[in-house]
Amino acid sequence: KAGVTQTPRYLIKTRGQQVTLSCSPISGHRSVSWYQQTPGQGLQFLFEYFSETQRNKGNFPGRFSGRQFSNSRSEMNVSTLELGDSALYLCASSVSLIGGGGTVQNIQYFGAGTRLSVL
Amino acid sequence: AQKVTQAQTEISVVEKEDVTLDCVYETRDTTYYLFWYKQPPSGELVFLIRRNSFDEQNEISGRYSWNFQKSTSSFNFTITASQVVDSAVYFCALKNPRSGNEKLTFGTGTRLTIIP
Repeated sequence: KAGVTQTPRYLIKTRGQQVTLSCSPISGHRSVSWYQQTPGQGLQFLFEYFSETQRNKGNFPGRFSGRQFSNSRSEMNVSTLELGDSALYLCASSVSLIGGGGTVQNIQYFGAGTRLSVL
Repeated sequence: AQKVTQAQTEISVVEKEDVTLDCVYETRDTTYYLFWYKQPPSGELVFLIRRNSFDEQNEISGRYSWNFQKSTSSFNFTITASQVVDSAVYFCALKNPRSGNEKLTFGTGTRLTIIP
């Protein structure tokens, strides 16, 4: 079974530009989450999509957005790039089964990430 | 609010030594999951283990073992007879399954270097 695939692996952009990152989850996985990893802030949750709907959102400005398609593939977009947006962006997917008591009992599997550099 | 603390920023040990990575968590929930992930230089986070809050049994998988103690809110990870391939950054993470979503709260990670 193929793992989580993120494209592109590397990106270089300049301030003010916008960027779109793509994530293809493991086949059969319906949940896709995005995380930003920086040396200063560590791993921070951006948002999660499930069945084409945003289910949760982290504490990031509105310049960060995402969407999920009917085949569960997801994209995230960052508009008006700032130097501080330079980071490794990781995508994770899970089956997202609902267990007893409405609990979400899943393991998230991560892609290799997209390393974004903003100059 | 949830929080995960990995106080050890960097650890270096000589190959074949045992090493323990510490993880302390904070949560008000009685039901939660704890995870460990490994991040090699390639960047991908590799899943190692998941433990739910109702299962305090220690777990061993080959050279890896985990010690979960609710009394001290700790979920420590031990590598026995370390090898150079164990060199990576290790993250401990926490999830509240009743939130209805997949959000993971990560610690800041411990960079482990195994010296040949």
